[in-house]
Amino acid sequence: AQSVAQPEDQVNVAEGNPLTVKCTYSVSGNPYLFWYVQYPNRGLQFLLKYITGDNLVKGSYGFEAEFNKSQTSFHLKKPSALVSDSALYFCAVRGFLSRAGSYQLTFGKGTKLSVIP
Amino acid sequence: DTGVSQDPRHKITKRGQNVTFRCDPISEHNRLYWYRQTLGQGPEFLTYFQNEAQLEKSRLLSDRFSAERPKGSFSTLEIQRTEQGDSAMYLCASSLGGVGGEGAGAFFGQGTRLTVV
Repeated sequence: AQSVAQPEDQVNVAEGNPLTVKCTYSVSGNPYLFWYVQYPNRGLQFLLKYITGDNLVKGSYGFEAEFNKSQTSFHLKKPSALVSDSALYFCAVRGFLSRAGSYQLTFGKGTKLSVIP
Repeated sequence: DTGVSQDPRHKITKRGQNVTFRCDPISEHNRLYWYRQTLGQGPEFLTYFQNEAQLEKSRLLSDRFSAERPKGSFSTLEIQRTEQGDSAMYLCASSLGGVGGEGAGAFFGQGTRLTVV
């Protein structure tokens, strides 16, 4: 079975400071990893993904994430936080070697990011 | 708007009533997913369609739940004899098939919020 852990329910960061939202995963085989963001009254928006290749992936709105296979982590980062980045962030995993026909994503519980002006 | 659309956005129903939700995916997407999200949790996978075929169902999808995608385009999710525990946000997502499509991630609608009273 695959699982995702987001160990922090909430992350507070001052505007302009770097931010990190943590994610660790457990999956059989090589993972597909995703980050989504959810704003109030809005649907989940895709930020970035890791499938294969370079461990550092860049996504929307200046976000990036680093895949670390040995630590089974996929932390989301941004060099300089904006107040508008305040939202709920979800990490998700799909196992590449999942049971045939299994395309489900497994999400973490989410981390609320608050960027303080 | 060419994104995933869901209707209705909100539904309040009395316990024991049946409800039906509709999802219109992005037109060229052959894969469609239903997820359920409760407060403070990440989305949980319910079911998955490739074209009109329902290929996977979660154990969360009890006998009271049924989903269809009759022509491989829009999908409906019906809940019969609703219970208070069914109160949640029901999310629909779509994606393209193939490695490239999977790599792009799934695109989510804004969801249907169900309240069972």
